[in-house]
Amino acid sequence: SQQGEEDPQALSIQEGENATMNCSYKTSINNLQWYRQNSGRGLVHLILIRSNEREKHSGRLRVTLDTSKKSSSLLITASRAADTASYFCATGYNAGNNRKLIWGLGTSLAVNP
Amino acid sequence: DTAVSQTPKYLVTQMGNDKSIKCEQNLGHDTMYWYKQDSKKFLKIMFSYNNKELIINETVPNRFSPKSPDKAHLNLHINSLELGDSAVYFCASSLSNGQGGYTFGSGTRLTVV
Repeated sequence: SQQGEEDPQALSIQEGENATMNCSYKTSINNLQWYRQNSGRGLVHLILIRSNEREKHSGRLRVTLDTSKKSSSLLITASRAADTASYFCATGYNAGNNRKLIWGLGTSLAVNP
Repeated sequence: DTAVSQTPKYLVTQMGNDKSIKCEQNLGHDTMYWYKQDSKKFLKIMFSYNNKELIINETVPNRFSPKSPDKAHLNLHINSLELGDSAVYFCASSLSNGQGGYTFGSGTRLTVV
């Protein structure tokens, strides 16, 4: 399978808690991206981390990348009910002259008020 | 201003019909994509165009025909619709230089009855 794999598939936490989602992949990559999808909506780009980077922050989001383990994690701190969504990782790599993304199946996050 | 807009948002049609979905982006991106998301939320790339040139065609039935009149537009025409075509179709765009992530449209929910 060419899919990235997110772990866990579903996560339910209380507001204020931190949420951690993991992504593992199989090929060498140029970058790894995290997206959020609210129910019935399109995907929203959150963070892109390049293969030579190890950590990146954006507001309450922290992404780490370990290329030796072929894995990444997304941490959402001080979660809010509005963070309830599905979170997808996508790995970017070169395929000949094209750049491709391989998508995971997503983690469904529920933040309970 | 909507960055990636696709129409229609909902489409209900009978088997055997032909339908089109339109997509436009005003971000100045040079690459556009069509994705299909099934009921299990798996995102599958269908087509990718770079500056009006088809660069990715992922084993999609030839009933699906994309058309890119210019780099800001990518339309999807589907002939002889089948029940299995029911899904949400997302248009997306990006820069081919790998800067930034993808910007997605809000999706077209296609239901074939």
